[in-house]
Amino acid sequence: EADIYQTPRYLVIGTGKKITLECSQTMGHDKMYWYQQDPGMELHLIHYSYGVNSTEKGDLSSESTVSRIRTEHFPLTLESARPSHTSQYLCATRPSGGPNIQYFGAGTRLSVL
Amino acid sequence: TQLLEQSPQFLSIQEGENLTVYCNSSSVFSSLQWYRQEPGEGPVLLVTVVTGGEVKKLKRLTFQFGDARKDSSLHITAAQPGDTGLYLCAGTTDSWGKLQFGAGTQVVVTP
Repeated sequence: EADIYQTPRYLVIGTGKKITLECSQTMGHDKMYWYQQDPGMELHLIHYSYGVNSTEKGDLSSESTVSRIRTEHFPLTLESARPSHTSQYLCATRPSGGPNIQYFGAGTRLSVL
Repeated sequence: TQLLEQSPQFLSIQEGENLTVYCNSSSVFSSLQWYRQEPGEGPVLLVTVVTGGEVKKLKRLTFQFGDARKDSSLHITAAQPGDTGLYLCAGTTDSWGKLQFGAGTQVVVTP
Protein backbone atom coordinates (compact mmCIF):
# COMPACT_ATOMS: atom_id res chain seq x y z
CA GLU A 1 0.00 0.00 0.00
CA ALA A 2 1.38 3.38 -0.98
CA ASP A 3 1.31 6.39 1.32
CA ILE A 4 0.24 9.33 -0.77
CA TYR A 5 -1.81 12.18 0.58
CA GLN A 6 -3.78 14.88 -1.15
CA THR A 7 -5.26 17.97 0.47
CA PRO A 8 -7.79 19.35 0.46
CA ARG A 9 -10.19 16.54 -0.44
CA TYR A 10 -12.86 19.00 -1.51
CA LEU A 11 -12.56 22.67 -2.47
CA VAL A 12 -15.25 25.11 -3.54
CA ILE A 13 -13.86 28.44 -4.61
CA GLY A 14 -14.84 31.55 -6.53
CA THR A 15 -13.60 32.55 -9.97
CA GLY A 16 -10.27 34.36 -10.03
CA LYS A 17 -8.87 32.91 -6.82
CA LYS A 18 -5.42 31.39 -6.64
CA ILE A 19 -5.35 27.82 -5.34
CA THR A 20 -2.74 25.20 -4.57
CA LEU A 21 -3.53 21.52 -4.41
CA GLU A 22 -1.13 19.59 -2.21
CA CYS A 23 0.30 16.14 -2.87
CA SER A 24 2.75 14.41 -0.55
CA GLN A 25 4.24 10.94 -0.47
CA THR A 26 6.35 9.12 2.07
CA MET A 27 7.80 6.35 -0.13
CA GLY A 28 10.70 8.32 -1.57
CA HIS A 29 9.46 7.70 -5.14
CA ASP A 30 11.17 9.85 -7.76
CA LYS A 31 8.32 9.81 -10.26
CA MET A 32 5.11 11.71 -9.57
CA TYR A 33 2.11 12.57 -11.72
CA TRP A 34 -0.96 14.79 -11.79
CA TYR A 35 -4.09 13.65 -13.59
CA GLN A 36 -7.38 15.40 -14.26
CA GLN A 37 -10.57 13.37 -14.32
CA ASP A 38 -14.19 14.32 -14.89
CA PRO A 39 -16.76 12.10 -13.10
CA GLY A 40 -16.82 8.55 -14.48
CA MET A 41 -14.40 9.45 -17.23
CA GLU A 42 -10.83 8.57 -18.15
CA LEU A 43 -7.79 10.10 -16.52
CA HIS A 44 -5.80 12.70 -18.43
CA LEU A 45 -2.14 13.34 -17.56
CA ILE A 46 -1.52 17.06 -17.05
CA HIS A 47 1.91 17.15 -15.35
CA TYR A 48 4.67 14.78 -14.33
CA SER A 49 8.02 14.85 -12.61
CA TYR A 50 10.93 12.43 -12.62
CA GLY A 51 12.68 13.99 -9.66
CA VAL A 52 13.58 17.19 -7.85
CA ASN A 53 13.59 20.23 -10.14
CA SER A 54 12.17 18.14 -12.99
CA THR A 55 8.67 18.92 -14.27
CA GLU A 56 7.01 18.29 -17.62
CA LYS A 57 3.62 18.97 -19.14
CA GLY A 58 1.43 15.99 -19.83
CA ASP A 59 -0.79 15.03 -22.73
CA LEU A 60 -3.68 17.30 -21.77
CA SER A 61 -3.02 21.02 -21.89
CA SER A 62 -3.60 22.64 -18.53
CA GLU A 63 -3.37 26.18 -17.21
CA SER A 64 -2.04 24.84 -13.94
CA THR A 65 1.62 24.78 -12.94
CA VAL A 66 3.59 22.42 -10.71
CA SER A 67 6.83 22.46 -8.77
CA ARG A 68 9.10 19.76 -7.34
CA ILE A 69 11.45 21.28 -4.80
CA ARG A 70 11.44 18.22 -2.56
CA THR A 71 11.09 14.57 -3.47
CA GLU A 72 8.06 14.06 -1.28
CA HIS A 73 6.09 17.11 -2.35
CA PHE A 74 4.47 17.89 -5.74
CA PRO A 75 1.99 20.78 -5.45
CA LEU A 76 -0.24 21.97 -8.28
CA THR A 77 -1.19 25.65 -8.56
CA LEU A 78 -3.89 27.50 -10.45
CA GLU A 79 -3.14 31.23 -10.50
CA SER A 80 -6.69 32.25 -11.40
CA ALA A 81 -9.36 29.60 -11.07
CA ARG A 82 -12.21 29.45 -13.60
CA PRO A 83 -15.36 27.30 -13.80
CA SER A 84 -13.71 25.28 -16.60
CA HIS A 85 -11.18 24.09 -14.00
CA THR A 86 -13.91 22.26 -12.10
CA SER A 87 -12.81 18.62 -12.00
CA GLN A 88 -11.18 15.94 -9.88
CA TYR A 89 -7.40 16.16 -9.62
CA LEU A 90 -5.49 12.97 -8.83
CA CYS A 91 -1.86 12.69 -7.79
CA ALA A 92 0.12 9.48 -8.29
CA THR A 93 3.60 8.16 -7.64
CA ARG A 94 5.64 5.40 -9.17
CA PRO A 95 8.72 3.58 -7.88
CA SER A 96 11.70 3.54 -10.22
CA GLY A 97 12.30 0.29 -12.03
CA GLY A 98 9.95 -2.62 -12.68
CA PRO A 99 6.49 -2.45 -14.29
CA ASN A 100 4.77 0.91 -14.42
CA ILE A 101 2.66 0.62 -11.29
CA GLN A 102 1.24 3.92 -10.14
CA TYR A 103 -0.23 4.55 -6.72
CA PHE A 104 -2.93 7.18 -6.43
CA GLY A 105 -4.02 9.57 -3.76
CA ALA A 106 -7.70 9.98 -2.93
CA GLY A 107 -7.91 13.09 -5.11
CA THR A 108 -9.09 16.67 -4.72
CA ARG A 109 -12.53 17.51 -6.06
CA LEU A 110 -12.42 21.14 -7.15
CA SER A 111 -15.49 23.23 -7.88
CA VAL A 112 -15.04 26.75 -9.19
CA LEU A 113 -18.14 28.90 -9.04
CA THR B 1 -7.86 9.24 -30.38
CA GLN B 2 -8.37 6.70 -27.61
CA LEU B 3 -5.33 4.43 -27.36
CA LEU B 4 -7.12 1.95 -25.12
CA GLU B 5 -10.74 1.07 -25.86
CA GLN B 6 -12.78 -0.40 -23.04
CA SER B 7 -16.07 -2.20 -23.48
CA PRO B 8 -18.74 -2.10 -22.44
CA GLN B 9 -18.92 1.45 -21.12
CA PHE B 10 -21.57 0.50 -18.58
CA LEU B 11 -22.64 -2.82 -17.11
CA SER B 12 -25.45 -3.44 -14.66
CA ILE B 13 -25.93 -6.96 -13.30
CA GLN B 14 -27.46 -8.71 -10.34
CA GLU B 15 -25.54 -10.24 -7.49
CA GLY B 16 -24.28 -13.73 -8.34
CA GLU B 17 -23.95 -13.15 -12.09
CA ASN B 18 -20.68 -13.21 -13.99
CA LEU B 19 -19.26 -10.35 -16.06
CA THR B 20 -16.38 -9.65 -18.40
CA VAL B 21 -14.81 -6.30 -19.23
CA TYR B 22 -12.54 -5.84 -22.24
CA CYS B 23 -9.62 -3.56 -22.96
CA ASN B 24 -8.35 -3.41 -26.55
CA SER B 25 -5.69 -1.51 -28.46
CA SER B 26 -3.75 -1.59 -31.70
CA SER B 27 -0.57 -0.84 -29.73
CA VAL B 28 1.69 -3.29 -27.95
CA PHE B 29 2.11 -2.70 -24.22
CA SER B 30 5.08 -3.60 -22.08
CA SER B 31 2.72 -3.88 -19.12
CA LEU B 32 -0.94 -3.36 -18.43
CA GLN B 33 -2.74 -2.61 -15.19
CA TRP B 34 -6.32 -2.83 -14.02
CA TYR B 35 -7.61 -0.37 -11.44
CA ARG B 36 -10.91 -0.02 -9.64
CA GLN B 37 -12.15 3.39 -8.64
CA GLU B 38 -15.01 4.22 -6.31
CA PRO B 39 -16.82 7.58 -6.40
CA GLY B 40 -14.78 10.38 -4.89
CA GLU B 41 -11.68 8.23 -4.51
CA GLY B 42 -8.51 7.59 -6.46
CA PRO B 43 -8.00 4.43 -8.55
CA VAL B 44 -6.76 1.41 -6.61
CA LEU B 45 -4.48 -1.04 -8.36
CA LEU B 46 -5.93 -4.54 -8.79
CA VAL B 47 -3.31 -6.28 -10.92
CA THR B 48 -0.38 -5.81 -13.28
CA VAL B 49 0.25 -8.14 -16.22
CA VAL B 50 3.49 -8.10 -18.17
CA THR B 51 3.73 -11.35 -20.15
CA GLY B 52 1.70 -12.14 -23.28
CA GLY B 53 -0.87 -14.85 -22.51
CA GLU B 54 -0.55 -14.29 -18.79
CA VAL B 55 -3.53 -15.13 -16.59
CA LYS B 56 -3.78 -13.87 -13.02
CA LYS B 57 -6.45 -14.67 -10.48
CA LEU B 58 -7.38 -12.51 -7.53
CA LYS B 59 -10.15 -14.31 -5.60
CA ARG B 60 -13.20 -14.00 -7.90
CA LEU B 61 -11.39 -11.81 -10.43
CA THR B 62 -9.50 -13.30 -13.38
CA PHE B 63 -7.28 -11.12 -15.55
CA GLN B 64 -5.90 -12.13 -18.92
CA PHE B 65 -3.27 -10.43 -21.08
CA GLY B 66 -3.49 -11.18 -24.80
CA ASP B 67 -0.74 -13.17 -26.47
CA ALA B 68 0.27 -10.15 -28.55
CA ARG B 69 0.09 -7.84 -25.50
CA LYS B 70 -2.46 -5.59 -27.21
CA ASP B 71 -5.54 -6.51 -25.23
CA SER B 72 -6.74 -7.66 -21.84
CA SER B 73 -9.87 -8.84 -20.12
CA LEU B 74 -11.22 -8.85 -16.60
CA HIS B 75 -13.71 -11.52 -15.59
CA ILE B 76 -15.62 -11.42 -12.32
CA THR B 77 -17.31 -14.59 -11.10
CA ALA B 78 -20.38 -14.40 -8.87
CA ALA B 79 -20.34 -10.63 -8.65
CA GLN B 80 -21.14 -8.96 -5.33
CA PRO B 81 -22.37 -5.42 -4.60
CA GLY B 82 -18.88 -4.63 -3.31
CA ASP B 83 -17.58 -5.11 -6.86
CA THR B 84 -19.43 -1.97 -7.95
CA GLY B 85 -17.08 0.67 -9.31
CA LEU B 86 -15.32 2.13 -12.32
CA TYR B 87 -12.86 -0.36 -13.77
CA LEU B 88 -9.96 1.22 -15.62
CA CYS B 89 -7.30 -0.44 -17.71
CA ALA B 90 -4.02 1.37 -18.25
CA GLY B 91 -0.98 0.45 -20.29
CA THR B 92 2.59 1.53 -20.81
CA THR B 93 4.06 1.60 -24.29
CA ASP B 94 7.36 3.25 -23.45
CA SER B 95 9.96 3.04 -20.75
CA TRP B 96 9.34 6.50 -19.36
CA GLY B 97 6.35 5.58 -17.27
CA LYS B 98 3.52 7.46 -18.95
CA LEU B 99 0.38 5.42 -18.48
CA GLN B 100 -2.37 5.52 -21.08
CA PHE B 101 -5.81 5.02 -19.54
CA GLY B 102 -8.96 3.65 -21.05
CA ALA B 103 -12.23 5.52 -20.49
CA GLY B 104 -13.35 2.90 -17.99
CA THR B 105 -16.25 0.52 -17.52
CA GLN B 106 -18.81 1.45 -14.89
CA VAL B 107 -19.99 -1.75 -13.19
CA VAL B 108 -23.07 -1.76 -10.96
CA VAL B 109 -23.95 -4.91 -9.04
CA THR B 110 -27.36 -4.84 -7.41
CA PRO B 111 -28.36 -7.13 -4.52
